[in-house]
Amino acid sequence: SQQGEEDPQALSIQEGENATMNCSYKTSINNLQWYRQNSGRGLVHLILIRSNEREKHSGRLRVTLDTSKKSSSLLITASRAADTASYFCATAAYSGGGADGLTFGKGTHLIIQP
Amino acid sequence: SQTIHQWPATLVQPVGSPLSLECTVEGTSNPNLYWYRQAAGRGLQLLFYSVGIGQISSEVPQNLSASRPQDRQFILSSKKLLLSDSGFYLCAWSSLRDSPLHFGNGTRLTVT
Repeated sequence: SQQGEEDPQALSIQEGENATMNCSYKTSINNLQWYRQNSGRGLVHLILIRSNEREKHSGRLRVTLDTSKKSSSLLITASRAADTASYFCATAAYSGGGADGLTFGKGTHLIIQP
Repeated sequence: SQTIHQWPATLVQPVGSPLSLECTVEGTSNPNLYWYRQAAGRGLQLLFYSVGIGQISSEVPQNLSASRPQDRQFILSSKKLLLSDSGFYLCAWSSLRDSPLHFGNGTRLTVT
């Protein structure tokens, strides 16, 4: 079953504007990760935020995490045409031994208009 | 540096035929390995994961199976494909339990 739900499902903005995507989840987590997927390709890891962190930055990316609301947001500042892709949040909630794997949402399809 | 190879990139198979998708990782030892499936317009569904040779955990009961014959090799198989097996299959690895996943470029499987 899918834990994370991204919002909006699709987003189209002009180049140079900021893009904000949201993710909500249902159960307690150890960490939350954001990934990017270009059409027809594998996913690329962007950023990981742990459950005891509230905000994290990486270049033009800013991620926030609110565990009380079970939500996260990804902000891409000064967007570029090359940022056009689908963005997924994924949660890690380990219940025991082993790798368990991440649970992914359905993603936000971001289109940057040049 | 670590790399992950997944092949083939695309595959068209008739219903009832067998399937074998292979994934190998280079540059690391004892990785955690994963198979995900992505249906059109949907998120990723975890199919199998492995923490070591011969150790396979299945997340979704289905027509597929996985094997890990070597430390850095992960194989996804089916004896008889169904139409519903069509999708985009992604192999991934991680070094630690909560570390980021590194994905291959995927296999687009179409069952006709």
